[in-house]
Amino acid sequence: AQSVAQPEDQVNVAEGNPLTVKCTYSVSGNPYLFWYVQYPNRGLQFLLKYITGDNLVKGSYGFEAEFNKSQTSFHLKKPSALVSDSALYFCAVRDPSNDYKLSFGAGTTVTVRA
Amino acid sequence: EAGVAQSPRYKIIEKRQSVAFWCNPISGHATLYWYQQILGQGPKLLIQFQNNGVVDDSQLPKDRFSAERLKGVDSTLKIQPAKLEDSAVYLCASSLEGLAGNTDTQYFGPGTRLTVL
Repeated sequence: AQSVAQPEDQVNVAEGNPLTVKCTYSVSGNPYLFWYVQYPNRGLQFLLKYITGDNLVKGSYGFEAEFNKSQTSFHLKKPSALVSDSALYFCAVRDPSNDYKLSFGAGTTVTVRA
Repeated sequence: EAGVAQSPRYKIIEKRQSVAFWCNPISGHATLYWYQQILGQGPKLLIQFQNNGVVDDSQLPKDRFSAERLKGVDSTLKIQPAKLEDSAVYLCASSLEGLAGNTDTQYFGPGTRLTVL
């Protein structure tokens, strides 16, 4: 079974509008959750992670994510998107029941139009 | 702080040929990972090293793939012989952690894009 799911292949927003990239997970115990961004021909860049504590996590480039245990979600958000945010975004989880291996979602392509 | 270095950035080979990729992790990082990222998918772990020992190679196709990290620093990943389905981006990542450091962040290199013709 897939540990992490990104239900949207693509998200399109206008510059200046809020951006949300969805992620849900299906692991037992307390997962460790991560968001990475990948620009064309580049490796993955770390954005933020949730380990414990405050459910709202703030990261790089103005991004934040909210851990919701009851909904098993960890959606990535940015209040005002920029054209430069256009990229491929990956949600990932370290699964306590699977030796804490890092498992990635399939990715969501974000396009921000000017 | 220098990031994870990988070379080459691009490689094109014919099927049944061999190829090798190199990775130098962030200085001081004990753990090194190799991932395979097929187009349209998220990265998939191939092998994990803790210093110079293998922690997990359960997803490595051992009949054709091999990897080593002899001095606990840089690493090489080899494919011999290559198949068409090996076309992918091969990502190297590193993290500080010891085996109990499961909260540590993995930092990725730029990857090597392999095309097998």
